Amino acid sequence: ETGVTQSPTHLIKTRGQQVTLRCSSQSGHNTVSWYQQALGQGPQFIFQYYREEENGRGNFPPRFSGLQFPNYSSELNVNALELDDSALYLCASSLEASGRDTQYFGPGTRLTVL
Amino acid sequence: QKEVEQDPGPLSVPEGAIVSLNCTYSNSAFQYFMWYRQYSRKGPELLMYTYSSGNKEDGRFTAQVDKSSKYISLFIRDSQPSDSATYLCAMTGGSNYKLTFGKGTLLTVNP
Repeated sequence: ETGVTQSPTHLIKTRGQQVTLRCSSQSGHNTVSWYQQALGQGPQFIFQYYREEENGRGNFPPRFSGLQFPNYSSELNVNALELDDSALYLCASSLEASGRDTQYFGPGTRLTVL
Repeated sequence: QKEVEQDPGPLSVPEGAIVSLNCTYSNSAFQYFMWYRQYSRKGPELLMYTYSSGNKEDGRFTAQVDKSSKYISLFIRDSQPSDSATYLCAMTGGSNYKLTFGKGTLLTVNP
């Protein structure tokens, strides 16, 4: 167990709805990254938060947004859900926002969009 | 062409076999190379971490990085049914914050 927790475990939404996913980072970690993993694919980077600021973003539209709180926990918000948003959403925490710092993953939230 | 290509596809081996998993990449800025193991319906867990070129061994697992060829490998010796999982290669640069993953290899070790 990495100490990274995510909620909820599973979620079913319909097209056009909005969803909020939550992540608690490992103790002592100030950086949280979010990834989307479609079935049969590797995780794709969505964005990273470092000390409450967005530190980088992947190739995802603006309807994917996030927040990081003073305790370094984080939220991922997705507006106007589309069928292709169905995936496993993973958050990972690391000590700092550096390539040499290992990213530890949570168990993920499985989102199904109908 | 994808930034990271992973081979082979789904792999089924008998218990005790040696398994070889591979990734090639195109971005010469990558310096940190990882292998993650992901069990069904779980998050990825770090298996091996290597900086730059070279070999690293941990028990039955050996990771190799050849930066000149842009090629990394993971070897599993004496494979066990408990090794059945998806193996993901991942990599990042020194000042880069995101991990770039391969698509994963689903490994099944048959008793």
